[in-house]
Amino acid sequence: EDKVVQSPLSLVVHEGDTVTLNCSYEVTNFRSLLWYKQEKKAPTFLFMLTSSGIEKKSGRLSSILDKKELFSILNITATQTGDSAIYLCAVGSGGYQKVTFGTGTKLQVIP
Amino acid sequence: DAGVTQSPTHLIKTRGQQVTLRCSPKSGHDTVSWYQQALGQGPQFIFQYYEEEERQRGNFPDRFSGHQFPNYSSELNVNALLLGDSALYLCASSLELEQFFGPGTRLTVL
Repeated sequence: EDKVVQSPLSLVVHEGDTVTLNCSYEVTNFRSLLWYKQEKKAPTFLFMLTSSGIEKKSGRLSSILDKKELFSILNITATQTGDSAIYLCAVGSGGYQKVTFGTGTKLQVIP
Repeated sequence: DAGVTQSPTHLIKTRGQQVTLRCSPKSGHDTVSWYQQALGQGPQFIFQYYEEEERQRGNFPDRFSGHQFPNYSSELNVNALLLGDSALYLCASSLELEQFFGPGTRLTVL
């Protein structure tokens, strides 16, 4: 059975800190790894990674995938209170891109 | 582009009833997937529709069924509701590998 494990489960940091969120996976026929941010309802798309070792960046957020060790990290630098959310890691697998989610990391950024 | 839309926003039902949730995909997307997200959990894959056929399915009972229409919109039906079906139901549409989510329908079963 496909499995995605995220750590830590929750995290409290102060504004300006840098955080690293972890995601490890075990799936059959890996196709992609996706990161989402979920604040109130719908998860919003952050990154999709398919190739090992290539960093994706968007502002203060960046992510990288290691397909050999089966994990990914999401970095957030200079955190702001608006970064407070649940960060979901998901892995797409199989011919039809079945997506398996982790339970998420709840990040709280305090002023 | 309206993005992925879902209706209704909230729904309250009692045990044993049936419910239908609706989803319109992002413009140009031909694949719709449905997820159930219980409180404190990540979304759990229910099933995926493509070309009006159920293409793959997660570990959900037959009480959960769906449909996709020629315009790619989709419905999720749940029969014989149980208390444990209370959750946020998310629809996601995709064209290739990226999935974009709708705002969800919050279902409460009393």
